[in-house]
Amino acid sequence: DIQMTQSPSSVSASVGDRVTISCRASQGISSWLAWYQQKPGKAPKLLIYAASSLQSGVPSRFSGSGSGTDFTLTISSLQPEDSATYYCQQANSFPLTFGPGTKVDIK
Amino acid sequence: EVHLVQSGAEVKKPGESLKISCKTSGYNFNDYWIGWVRQMPGKGLEWMGVIFPGDSDTRYSPSFQGQVTISADKSVNTAYLQWNSLRASDTAMYFCARQAYNIGLWFDPWGQGTLVTVSS
Repeated sequence: DIQMTQSPSSVSASVGDRVTISCRASQGISSWLAWYQQKPGKAPKLLIYAASSLQSGVPSRFSGSGSGTDFTLTISSLQPEDSATYYCQQANSFPLTFGPGTKVDIK
Repeated sequence: EVHLVQSGAEVKKPGESLKISCKTSGYNFNDYWIGWVRQMPGKGLEWMGVIFPGDSDTRYSPSFQGQVTISADKSVNTAYLQWNSLRASDTAMYFCARQAYNIGLWFDPWGQGTLVTVSS
């Protein structure tokens, strides 16, 4: 199975800050990676697919990059509504796996 | 518009059986994978397995193989997650989700979630 790790596990930042979350796969997954946002009590929401493609309706302040084993989700200018937990997920092979999540708080 | 609507919250006793549902609409049910995800209280997301309704191809994550059954009924465009004998450790929120595009195993949209509580 492909293991996913994320760092940091949590981050606290101010409105307008640039926030970067890292995700690493235990083996190469090309660009078969997605990012999700989950707010408390809600279902996850797809933000980024194929490592860098922005899902329809997602604000352009979200972007993804990377390939192989190392990936990054960037929020270019943090907004209050971005307070959530963010998960990466590998889509290279079964079984599908998520990273452990990164909680983003607003200072 | 694509919609996934899950069945309501359940409270069960250990050892009981349960089948929860994910009713879909707005697209050809046969053409996209449907997945099930577990989220235990205060914890992260875990893939349980996925099913392709068109040919019933089903893939389970190792942790859930033999513990649950994923199925789909094409006549009612609905996917199911089933337990034969629940345990207290099955207490969690369960989400279904549809493959977002024909290529790539990323999922969107998601159902609203079904809370399963197992307690004696």
